[in-house]
Amino acid sequence: SYELTQPPSVSVSPGQTASITCSGDKLGDKFASWHQQKPGQSPVMVIYQDSKRPSGIPERFSGSNSGNTATLTISGTQAVDEADYYCQAWDGSTCVFGTGTKVTVL
Amino acid sequence: EVQLVESGGGLVQPGGSLRLSCAASGFTFSTYEMTWVRQAPGKGLDWVSSTRNRGTIIYYADSVKGRFTISRDSAKNSLYLQMNSLRAEDTAIYYCARLSTAWNAFDIWGHGTMVTVFS
Repeated sequence: SYELTQPPSVSVSPGQTASITCSGDKLGDKFASWHQQKPGQSPVMVIYQDSKRPSGIPERFSGSNSGNTATLTISGTQAVDEADYYCQAWDGSTCVFGTGTKVTVL
Repeated sequence: EVQLVESGGGLVQPGGSLRLSCAASGFTFSTYEMTWVRQAPGKGLDWVSSTRNRGTIIYYADSVKGRFTISRDSAKNSLYLQMNSLRAEDTAIYYCARLSTAWNAFDIWGHGTMVTVFS
């Protein structure tokens, strides 16, 4: 079965850039989306179709996808960005979520 | 306001059944594809089932195939998940999510309903 692997955790200082990777076989041939989940809350989509931001998502969130890796980048990270982040892609008729990354803003 | 509200969760013994509901509002439900995603306590997101092409195409995760049934009633703007033969490993928060056809991504999520399977 298809798998998407993310680092368990990423730490970043306020104002710095956080990069979260999502690895899967030929992931670049698929569309990746990213979801942010804060403690006790439902997920919120922050990136779709690799690099597009939904309305209301700050410009500091950006994405890319090539080869076997999709990347979510948070520029000028703020304390409010501390959350779990999940990548997601479709492998044919099966939806696959990444293993999740906890972003800590120190 | 676009909204998804789940209900129907609760406590059930192994082998039991539950039916979850998801009430949609603020958008034309019949034109959207819908999905159930679950999250076990302290764990990541786990896709359960999707209904696409206005319900004519249905997909299930292998872990629930043959035990869970997804359905929708456009007249009631509602999505359902019938869960039978429940197991301890089905314990999770179950989220209803709207699947944007244009974006092929989950653009709206409900608040979730908790299902606990215990013996």
